[in-house]
Order: sequence, then C-alpha cells, then structure tokens
Amino acid sequence: AQKITQTQPGMFVQEKEAVTLDCTYDTSDPSYGLFWYKQPSSGEMIFLIYQGSYDQQNATEGRYSLNFQKARKSANLVISASQLGDSAMYFCAMRENTGGFKTIFGAGTRLFVKA
Amino acid sequence: DVKVTQSSRYLVKRTGEKVFLECVQDMDHENMFWYRQDPGLGLRLIYFSYDVKMKEKGDIPEGYSVSREKKERFSLILESASTNQTSMYLCASTMGQGLNQPQHFGDGTRLSIL
Repeated sequence: AQKITQTQPGMFVQEKEAVTLDCTYDTSDPSYGLFWYKQPSSGEMIFLIYQGSYDQQNATEGRYSLNFQKARKSANLVISASQLGDSAMYFCAMRENTGGFKTIFGAGTRLFVKA
Repeated sequence: DVKVTQSSRYLVKRTGEKVFLECVQDMDHENMFWYRQDPGLGLRLIYFSYDVKMKEKGDIPEGYSVSREKKERFSLILESASTNQTSMYLCASTMGQGLNQPQHFGDGTRLSIL
C-alpha cells in the first residue's frame, strides 16, 4: 500500500495566486515527521518545510505553509503568492519513528506557474 | 554552506559494464543514502549507510552494491549495468537520528545504459 499519496500529477497556477498541493499519508506510528521538497528542472532536491506529528501548530516557512490535518492524515503544502521560480516538482515525504533512517517519498506533483 | 557532491551530472554506459557513482558530503553527516528517481514513482531507496563500513538494503537493492570506506564518501556500484537501470540517481545525507532532520541532496546523476 502507498504510504505517501500525491494525487495531482500536475498543477497550474497563475502567478501571484496561492496554490495547494495535496499529500495524504498512511502510518500507524504515533511519532512521525512530514517533509516537503522542491525539485527544479536542474535536478537538485531542496528541503522546504517540516511538520512533526506532535506539533500543535501548522509549520510555516516564508511563503510556504503546511496544512496539517492529523485525523485525516493529510499534510498539504500551501504556496502563497506564486512566483515563476516556483515551477518545479514537489515531493511530500514521511519518516516514521519505527522506520529507522528511512524516508518515504510520494510520486510528486509538477507545478507550473503561469505569467 | 552544506554540500553534497555527486561526481557526474550525466553518464552514459553500456550494458554489462561495472558502473561507479560517487557521492561526497562535507557536513560530517553520519547517514548517507542512494535513491533512484523514475517518473511517477518518486524516489525509491536503494541502499543507505549509518556509519563507515555499515550498509543497509533499501527497497530496491537488486543489481546494486555500495561502499562506504570513509565517512564523507558513499559509492553506488552497478555490478553489471542493464538498460532498466537507466534512471536519475540521487545521493543524500542526514545528521543523526532525529525525525526532524531533512535530507541534504546532491544534484543527481542522470545515468543512461545503452
């Protein structure tokens, strides 16, 4: 079974608008961490934001925020005021306390920002 | 600034060759990882290492081996390259065992096996 599901293979957003990238996860471990990474066309993976399973507040980093709904097991990434440079692949990932060193990645969502 | 360096951005090899992909990190990280990335499949873990000379199989280790003789260097070896190993390969490292530790990635190697 998929542990990380990103249901949107591709998304379009107008420049300066906000966009939400969906991520649902599956785990029975009460302690886990959720990550979002950005991969521009150049290939490097860039860490964006982290949310711990026990964190009470939704994580925010600049224009990025994570809409964490624990009961629904969703961890959607919200990008506010999209910029052309936000066009990239975005990966949701999870690390479980019982999973040791392993991080599990979703299939990714390709975001296109239109001028 | 932290840095993970992969030896090649692009590599073309022939079927049956032994292929070495090198990765070096300058952050004194204990843990290092090799992933392959294929469209629609995300990143899949091939092998990882949590210490010098230590290695653990990931989800898709068949056809690959690894070597970690020094803390900063983690090598991925394709013993006898096959066309189905054509892919993007990403190396990553993390510090310690904390759940909140993000992975630091290299720029990736696009490997083509002809």
